[in-house]
Amino acid sequence: DADVTQTPRNRITKTGKRIMLECSQTKGHDRMYWYRQDPGLGLRLIYYSFDVKDINKGEISDGYSVSRQAQAKFSLSLESAIPNQTALYFCATSDFSAPNTGELFFGEGSRLTVL
Amino acid sequence: AQSVSQHNHHVILSEAASLELGCNYSYGGTVNLFWYVQYPGQHLQLLLKYFSGDPLVKGIKGFEAEFIKSKFSFNLRKPSVQWSDTAEYFCAVNAIYNQGGKLIFGQGTELSVKP
Repeated sequence: DADVTQTPRNRITKTGKRIMLECSQTKGHDRMYWYRQDPGLGLRLIYYSFDVKDINKGEISDGYSVSRQAQAKFSLSLESAIPNQTALYFCATSDFSAPNTGELFFGEGSRLTVL
Repeated sequence: AQSVSQHNHHVILSEAASLELGCNYSYGGTVNLFWYVQYPGQHLQLLLKYFSGDPLVKGIKGFEAEFIKSKFSFNLRKPSVQWSDTAEYFCAVNAIYNQGGKLIFGQGTELSVKP
């Protein structure tokens, strides 16, 4: 089983619909992240959380919200999806028990298409 | 704001050719540096990382990267590529003590290796 699991893996929806992407991890890491990947733009950080009570905006948080339900669960919501949110979304985790290592462990991605 | 720049968006090589992918970052302090690889249809996987010490870092599958602090660069190299190296490669930087542990990614370089 994957250490970082994302659901759904693929989703097609319509403009204006609410969508939730879920991420769960078994690595025991405190830190969790949501990135989106677009061709030619690399990965851009949407939101990140360093523990259950800590939520921070990334560089492209507009139109998104998150919830850290538990140490192992971090969900991303699109309240009213729009076509330019069509992208591949990745959840990632990291462990900062070592000094500031920064290494991320990724889920397998959720491909979202907004029509 | 800190940024990471990958010079080549798409590189096409024949098998056995040598590879060098450029990566430059803009942060002047202490950094951790990473190269991730994304094979077609898969999630990102760590290829190699630099934290400290020897600036020439060896990773998996024959890849290596050299950290040149004076040039703010972390270029990825492989002496002889294989068809199985076809993938997208991402450089990433964690600016220690300044970015709050966030990893900033470059735009990615797509490598196509012709058999």
